[in-house]
Amino acid sequence: DAKTTQPTSMDCAEGRAANLPCNHSTISGNEYVYWYRQIHSQGPQYIIHGLKNNETNEMASLIITEDRKSSTLILPHATLRDTAVYYCIVSVMAGGTSYGKLTFGQGTILTVHP
Amino acid sequence: DTEVTQTPKHLVMGMTNKKSLKCEQHMGHRAMYWYKQKAKKPPELMFVYSYEKLSINESVPSRFSPECPNSSLLNLHLHALQPEDSALYLCASSQAGTGGSIFYGYTFGSGTRLTVV
Repeated sequence: DAKTTQPTSMDCAEGRAANLPCNHSTISGNEYVYWYRQIHSQGPQYIIHGLKNNETNEMASLIITEDRKSSTLILPHATLRDTAVYYCIVSVMAGGTSYGKLTFGQGTILTVHP
Repeated sequence: DTEVTQTPKHLVMGMTNKKSLKCEQHMGHRAMYWYKQKAKKPPELMFVYSYEKLSINESVPSRFSPECPNSSLLNLHLHALQPEDSALYLCASSQAGTGGSIFYGYTFGSGTRLTVV
């Protein structure tokens, strides 16, 4: 699986947009970009995923560059509850079988300030 | 039901004990996973079960023994653990697609905080 590079930490003011970057320059054509977050002492939570096109759901937006070598997760109006570690992961379906294999990197610690 | 339930939430065990961690989901997911997470580190994959068959063992020591008795349950049997095995153990599940289908997100449980003394 391709490796990802994320900033170690970021700060954001409450109510402002949080833009979390991720570099995945070795991504393969069949690999998806996934974002998860982990709030302290809880299990990781799925946020969003995409292949080529930009994606939006009720939690966030995902912007993938045209060459797919980087992406940005956008939390449009950050709240204190969005303080967490955010993981950007690229992955394919493992071995062409029926399951995936998510490999977590170090992630970005996002701190939302009042 | 859209949750993965892990029990117990906390476990303290001695190095000579035998204990088991339990994971349950009722979302019809046919892929289930065990991850281990040390403090301030990302989760690390241990095992993957697909359709109740062990598909991936990431070179995990034999003192960890997984079991998938049915499509809703996943156990992790622990025996003769070391203090360095103390960690948060996370269970996850996902839809198991058929060839060419899109992979959807994992649903993770809240984990079992294991302390080996």
